[in-house]
Amino acid sequence: DTEVTQTPKHLVMGMTNKKSLKCEQHMGHRAMYWYKQKAKKPPELMFVYSYEKLSINESVPSRFSPECPNSSLLNLHLHALQPEDSALYLCASSQVGAGNQPQHFGDGTRLSIL
Amino acid sequence: SQQGEEDPQALSIQEGENATMNCSYKTSINNLQWYRQNSGRGLVHLILIRSNEREKHSGRLRVTLDTSKKSSSLLITASRAADTASYFCATDGQGAQKLVFGQGTRLTINP
Repeated sequence: DTEVTQTPKHLVMGMTNKKSLKCEQHMGHRAMYWYKQKAKKPPELMFVYSYEKLSINESVPSRFSPECPNSSLLNLHLHALQPEDSALYLCASSQVGAGNQPQHFGDGTRLSIL
Repeated sequence: SQQGEEDPQALSIQEGENATMNCSYKTSINNLQWYRQNSGRGLVHLILIRSNEREKHSGRLRVTLDTSKKSSSLLITASRAADTASYFCATDGQGAQKLVFGQGTRLTINP
């Protein structure tokens, strides 16, 4: 069992749909992350929230819209996605500290765009 | 951009043997981390080694770091079938909170 919970585990959507991915952690971590991972590739950072404020956006297209409503929750809103956006989307959390801290990952949402 | 390069890309060994994976990186770092990812699962943090450390142990894992060569290795001793997974190194060379992962090594332990 992971301490970072992601829902849904699987999502199939059309290119015109709007959907949201959800992530929740109760470890008291104040940094939360979204990653995109294609098959047999490493995770690629998309967004970082620190103390509920967006601190890093890795030039992600605007069809991906992150939201951090509170210190335990992280959402990723999806709209008008493209087939190449099909991937595993991973959420992670960590303490905020000097240098990089170990990150705790959820098991991801496997997204398929039709 | 990817900071780390891992070697080998794939490794297949018999249960009980030792497995060694290598990671090279390009810029200076504060620390380097190793993660494991089982098929269809998220990543699990294994070990963090700071730039002023040369070696670190955790159970059957041994990590070394050579900052002069910008390289690290992960040794898994007495491998088990459950060690079958992908292993990634990750560095922070591009700023705090920004982990950059290597390409990973796919490890298969044959019973």
